[in-house]
Amino acid sequence: AQSVTQLGSHVSVSEGALVLLRCNYSSSVPPYLFWYVQYPNQGLQLLLKYTSAATLVKGINGFEAEFKKSETSFHLTKPSAHMSDAAEYFCAVSESFGQFYFGTGTSLTVIP
Amino acid sequence: NAGVTQTPKFRILKIGQSMTLQCTQDMNHNYMYWYRQDPGMGLKLIYYSVGAGITDKGEVPNGYNVSRSTTEDFPLRLELAAPSQTSVYFCASSYSGTANEKLFFGSGTQLSVL
Repeated sequence: AQSVTQLGSHVSVSEGALVLLRCNYSSSVPPYLFWYVQYPNQGLQLLLKYTSAATLVKGINGFEAEFKKSETSFHLTKPSAHMSDAAEYFCAVSESFGQFYFGTGTSLTVIP
Repeated sequence: NAGVTQTPKFRILKIGQSMTLQCTQDMNHNYMYWYRQDPGMGLKLIYYSVGAGITDKGEVPNGYNVSRSTTEDFPLRLELAAPSQTSVYFCASSYSGTANEKLFFGSGTQLSVL
């Protein structure tokens, strides 16, 4: 089975600073990779996904992620954090029908 | 645009009670899923369905039952509630269930078993 590791369960950044959320996966075959965001009291929403078309994937709200096969990583970044980015972020991988594996999540706090 | 709708949003149960978490989607999606979210544990798949009349177990199915009589509805039943079932439950759906397809999530049901 796949496993997804998100380093850092809590990340704090100042408003305007770089956001870097880490995600590593275990797979010998490049899977499909996703980042979802969960705002308080809401369900998860897709931020971006990697499907092998390009290694640098751009998502909504200025986020992007880079797929690095050699490092089995799919880290999420945003050049300048905004207060509205405060949320829980989940990395997920999928290899086959109906099989999604989620990381444990990273809670992002943005300090004004 | 309703999407995936879950009811109730909050519920407190006593040990041994039963309840049904409702989930309905209006996007004509074939695949539907139930996840539970525990602090620091991410989301774990409980059950999923690939279409009306077809369901299958996920990673953590014990203590739960599901049914899928229509494309739209996918209720999750807890027969004998236990404290270990205290969690946030999310229903999700997708059209074809392919690996590169995004999931649409409901807003969740927060369940406490005391």
